Amino acid sequence: EVQLVQSGAEVKKPGESLKISCKGSGYSFTSYWIGWVRQMPGKGLEWMGIIYPGDSDTRYSPSFQGQVTISADKSISTAYLQWSSLKASDTAMYYCARSRDGMDVWGQGTTVTVSS
Amino acid sequence: DIQMTQSPSSLSASVGDRVTITCRASQGISNYLAWYQQKPGKVPKLLIYAASTLQSGVPSRFSGSGSGTDFTLTISSLQPEDVATYYCQKYNSALQHTFGQGTKLEIK
Repeated sequence: EVQLVQSGAEVKKPGESLKISCKGSGYSFTSYWIGWVRQMPGKGLEWMGIIYPGDSDTRYSPSFQGQVTISADKSISTAYLQWSSLKASDTAMYYCARSRDGMDVWGQGTTVTVSS
Repeated sequence: DIQMTQSPSSLSASVGDRVTITCRASQGISNYLAWYQQKPGKVPKLLIYAASTLQSGVPSRFSGSGSGTDFTLTISSLQPEDVATYYCQKYNSALQHTFGQGTKLEIK
């Protein structure tokens, strides 16, 4: 079965760092882009960026460039999304998804709550 | 940046109705357009890609059309389980896979 499994919910304080993960299985992880999507509470989907695990080619939405870092470790079929200094406005659900013609396989989502 | 604008933002329709949601790109994107369904509290689901290709397992009452800047998602006969928010997304380059703002569909 093709699936993406994300790491669990996180509760952090402003200024803390965080790295969440997305592990792929059931397909060739290095042959598909992995995208990250933010959904703030009660809001729509926002495309953050994308990585090709085969060569780590990474592209960011201008809205998220410099705010987050997307990376991947192809040896363990895992993509990451990280923050160096969280803000309260980073509170959201974050999804990873396999991306080729659209995003066809999604992770279950990781809730990130940033609160003092 | 190419903007994606959906209309309407919300709509209410009766079971059995034909429902159409539109998505307009600010520049041409050929047919690099996908549609998603997100039910409350659930993960988004790909319905259609390449503007008109139905994703495997998606009911045939869903269809997509369009090319260039104007696209539509049609539900031929609305069912209660179709209550959801629908999003379009462009993916014509690796630079920006922008989503539309969403259309919330309810049953009248």
